[in-house]
Amino acid sequence: DGGITQSPKYLFRKEGQNVTLSCEQNLNHDAMYWYRQDPGQGLRLIYYSQIVNDFQKGDIAEGYSVSREKKESFPLTVTSAQKNPTAFYLCASKPGTSGRASYNEQFFGPGTRLTVL
Amino acid sequence: RKEVEQDPGPFNVPEGATVAFNCTYSNSASQSFFWYRQDCRKEPKLLMSVYSSGNEDGRFTAQLNRASQYISLLIRDSKLSDSATYLCVVNSGGYQKVTFGTGTKLQVIP
Repeated sequence: DGGITQSPKYLFRKEGQNVTLSCEQNLNHDAMYWYRQDPGQGLRLIYYSQIVNDFQKGDIAEGYSVSREKKESFPLTVTSAQKNPTAFYLCASKPGTSGRASYNEQFFGPGTRLTVL
Repeated sequence: RKEVEQDPGPFNVPEGATVAFNCTYSNSASQSFFWYRQDCRKEPKLLMSVYSSGNEDGRFTAQLNRASQYISLLIRDSKLSDSATYLCVVNSGGYQKVTFGTGTKLQVIP
């Protein structure tokens, strides 16, 4: 089955520790995204990547880092510099970019709930 | 003004009712529009794209009004299983300009 997987589903970490969240897709999509969602809030873009070895900061990139060494994988590291890391993290991908709606439909992984103690 | 705005609700409607949500967007150059559904503590899932001519999928109808810069979602014959948060999504071109609304919560009551 094609899709996006994120692991782990739940993650607990001590304050001051870096943690890496996994995101893998086998949809052959070019673009991948990381979002953060806080309770009662909308999705906020952390980082996105259009192509392998390229990525761009989103609206709230401070305290996060990413890599895109393979088309299928887009891991997110939450560093100790992130002041309030407890949140629901969602990874998404889409085929590419064009005016056609079908190229811009994003598909989401199941998310990782990170709690920093 | 927010790029994408939705009434947060909640909309509490009885089973069988018809309910409509609107979503306004500020960028007149926006190209693609979508409605997503998000269940509690789950990831958003694509409900439907919104086409210029409007489109229907079963009980769901989506409309786009470019002149007034809003999209709408109409749900007919509401089911208990329709209870969720509905997110409006606007793509203004390119990879980065995908903006999510904060969502409208729907609760269908028996």
